[in-house]
Amino acid sequence: EVQLVESGGGLVQPGGSLRLSCAASGFSFRTYWMSWGRQAPGKGLEWVANIKQDGSEKYYVDSLKGRFTISRDNAKNSLYLQMNSLRAEDTAVYYCARGMNGYEEYYDFWGQGTLVTVSS
Amino acid sequence: EIVLTQSPATLSLSPGERATLSCRANQSVSRFLAWYQQHVGQAPRLLIYDASNRATGIPARFSGSGSGTDFTLTISSLEPEDFAVYYCQQRKNWPPLTFGGGTKVEIK
Repeated sequence: EVQLVESGGGLVQPGGSLRLSCAASGFSFRTYWMSWGRQAPGKGLEWVANIKQDGSEKYYVDSLKGRFTISRDNAKNSLYLQMNSLRAEDTAVYYCARGMNGYEEYYDFWGQGTLVTVSS
Repeated sequence: EIVLTQSPATLSLSPGERATLSCRANQSVSRFLAWYQQHVGQAPRLLIYDASNRATGIPARFSGSGSGTDFTLTISSLEPEDFAVYYCQQRKNWPPLTFGGGTKVEIK
């Protein structure tokens, strides 16, 4: 069974940093593109970033470039999101998602999400 | 950036009725469009990809159509578990991958 379990969310002050993790199981993690998305409270979905199977390609939404960094460790079946200089508008549930095989920009499995709250 | 506009924002229907949801792009996305379902407090679930292909395990009452700038998700006969929020997403021109604002299907 495919499982994606996010962790690392919590309350952080404006300007602070947080590192999210996503533990993957039930599939060959190293063969899939992976992504982070987010959803602000009561709002819609927003794509954040994605990363190729071997980590050689990474793409971000423009508004987050320079502050957020996506990475992966295939030996640990894990995906990460390093978030720096956090702002109130970064408050959201952050989801880890798997790119569908052959259609990598569609997401066929999502984790349950981890809540990040940026507030003083 | 491709902007996706979904309508209506809310659809009030009864179980057994047909639901028709719209997604319009501000420029052509060919057929590179997906639909997701999301229940409150849950993760999104992929329903349709490339405009009309049902994802694995998705019931046949869900169908997608359209190309270019206009797309439709149809639920032929609403089941109780279908009341949720639905999002469209494009992959034609990225980054960024973009989502529509969502349509909430609620019980009338």
